[in-house]
Amino acid sequence: DTGVSQNPRHKITKRGQNVTFRCDPISEHNRLYWYRQTLGQGPEFLTYFQNEAQLEKSRLLSDRFSAERPKGSFSTLEIQRTEQGDSAMYLCASSLAGTETYNEQFFGPGTRLTVL
Amino acid sequence: QKEVEQNSGPLSVPEGAIASLNCTYSDRGSQSFFWYRQYSGKSPELIMSIYSNGDKEDGRFTAQLNKASQYVSLLIRDSQPSDSATYLCAVSPGGNNRLAFGKGNQVVVIP
Repeated sequence: DTGVSQNPRHKITKRGQNVTFRCDPISEHNRLYWYRQTLGQGPEFLTYFQNEAQLEKSRLLSDRFSAERPKGSFSTLEIQRTEQGDSAMYLCASSLAGTETYNEQFFGPGTRLTVL
Repeated sequence: QKEVEQNSGPLSVPEGAIASLNCTYSDRGSQSFFWYRQYSGKSPELIMSIYSNGDKEDGRFTAQLNKASQYVSLLIRDSQPSDSATYLCAVSPGGNNRLAFGKGNQVVVIP
């Protein structure tokens, strides 16, 4: 039983560059979530998918951020024209809808982004 | 008003003692409640979920939920040095599938 995987684990980029992260959820999970976490804070919700449909995006999410889950399996999160304030840990989580353990979300190891 | 508040500062407990963590939430329609453990530099790990009022025990962990007071707590019995971590309270605000997290409470277990 493999957990949630994320790639790359670390990314260093220069301000203004675009970056893309990948998340592979637990295989039978139909919901996939993206969160961002900065030092000393809890994770902050960015967006989530049920199967291939993007059902919710944070109102705080900049237009520079876009996410896809084209076949309802893996997902990508792209940040365009990165800024230093985008430096954070980007976390992916997955869950299985319609079960007794409602909304239990399991996190991947995260991608740490540093924008220079 | 923050959706989830964890106000206590770092908690130091002797090995073998009980660690008690508290969390309050603002949305009365919240339906599911979670505690995550996060070691430094690692991602959050789910340790407890609770959905109805009362206590839920799992090993050395007990989660307590009081929806009337909008309050969730976590007790760690027989604390071990390996329990030293940050504990995050998370709530699904009413009607939502996203999780809202508190800032977390750092627990240090002193051998």
